[in-house]
Amino acid sequence: SAVISQKPSRDICQRGTSLTIQCQVDSQVTMMFWYRQQPGQSLTLIATANQGSEATYESGFVIDKFPISRPNLTFSTLTVSNMSPEDSSIYLCSVGVGDVVYNEQFFGPGTRLTVL
Amino acid sequence: GIQVEQSPPDLILQEGANSTLRCNFSDSVNNLQWFHQNPWGQLINLFYIPSGTKQNGRLSATTVATERYSLLYISSSQTTDSGVYFCAVKGPIKAAGNKLTFGGGTRVLVKP
Repeated sequence: SAVISQKPSRDICQRGTSLTIQCQVDSQVTMMFWYRQQPGQSLTLIATANQGSEATYESGFVIDKFPISRPNLTFSTLTVSNMSPEDSSIYLCSVGVGDVVYNEQFFGPGTRLTVL
Repeated sequence: GIQVEQSPPDLILQEGANSTLRCNFSDSVNNLQWFHQNPWGQLINLFYIPSGTKQNGRLSATTVATERYSLLYISSSQTTDSGVYFCAVKGPIKAAGNKLTFGGGTRVLVKP
């Protein structure tokens, strides 16, 4: 398994501002992901955070809005840029443990973001 | 991409009752996981079960990969079982990428 921490745990922000969320893992992992969970909804993958290269974004998510850094195998950040009330969600960091094909994913505690 | 459907969407149980949650998926999978999201939003891993049967205390799960479904059984339910249960699958990398796709969830309320 993996122990994952996220900062901040929650925040209330004004529209037009940006927030950077940090994700720290207790061991080196190859696979790291960022998810969004809008109120009352399921989880949607934003992007895969690749160490040493640009993140891979899912359809509907762009780097200008959600820039991601992955400086090493234990840490990543997700920035939510130029926020609007529609960005109010829980943002979760996740890591895959195992090999590339067969791996189990674990999730951090999430960052609960409210945009006014 | 893979489609994941969970049923029922909502479930209300009396404490002590048993229940079965279902997850149907549209393609072959390398990975299937069941999660419990507690009222504080934390996602807790219940089972990693791409095939076969597993048990953990009052919970058990069965995945029949050839028929593309998985079942989660909750026995002797307790109020702490309340929350949302998610099924998530990962298909073959060439077809779906290394991507865990979530179902819509089953919201469970266990009444004392």
